[in-house]
Amino acid sequence: EPEVTQTPSHQVTQMGQEVILRCVPISNHLYFYWYRQILGQKVEFLVSFYNNEISEKSEIFDDQFSVERPDGSNFTLKIRSTKLEDSAMYFCASTGQPGETQYFGPGTRLLVL
Amino acid sequence: AQRVTQPEKLLSVFKGAPVELKCNYSYSGSPELFWYVQYSRQRLQLLLRHISRESIKGFTADLNKGETSFHLKKPFAQEEDSAMYYCALRRSGGYNKLIFGAGTRLAVHP
Repeated sequence: EPEVTQTPSHQVTQMGQEVILRCVPISNHLYFYWYRQILGQKVEFLVSFYNNEISEKSEIFDDQFSVERPDGSNFTLKIRSTKLEDSAMYFCASTGQPGETQYFGPGTRLLVL
Repeated sequence: AQRVTQPEKLLSVFKGAPVELKCNYSYSGSPELFWYVQYSRQRLQLLLRHISRESIKGFTADLNKGETSFHLKKPFAQEEDSAMYYCALRRSGGYNKLIFGAGTRLAVHP
């Protein structure tokens, strides 16, 4: 069964550094999402992406964040200048058809020191 | 505002006991409700959705619009049911975002 994959599984970075989190959605899916979960808190929506454009973003997704689909398979989340409070588990998800379920990747655990 | 509330952080039961994980929501429109499960060291995966009205791994959930609830139930818990369970809401139709509750950890003891 096809799965969403994410790399790296863990990343440690220094405050102020840029990080890029990578996701490979399921191949025939068209709609992509990023969510995050700060330790002990709920899973929160960050952004959705369709047809090479952001469809919706949350108030968390400020100018420090950006998303890109650089090629036909990858979907990336970039944080330009990381802050301590960006430490979280970041989940990518994708879906194929309207109303279909979202399939989640295993997550990337980001630790900002 | 759209919100999902799971009042219990931890639910601890013995094997064979009935389980009910509570979920309440607030949403003015027509929502879709989901239960996602996360087993230890695994990804979030869909357990069931209200429009399917099916039973997965013995779990069922009924959408009660009057009480704005979507509680997850299983008559006889198994040890392998131990996991984190998240209730989630989505505006119906399209590719809308999921709004998650805080999650309930179910621990089933032998």
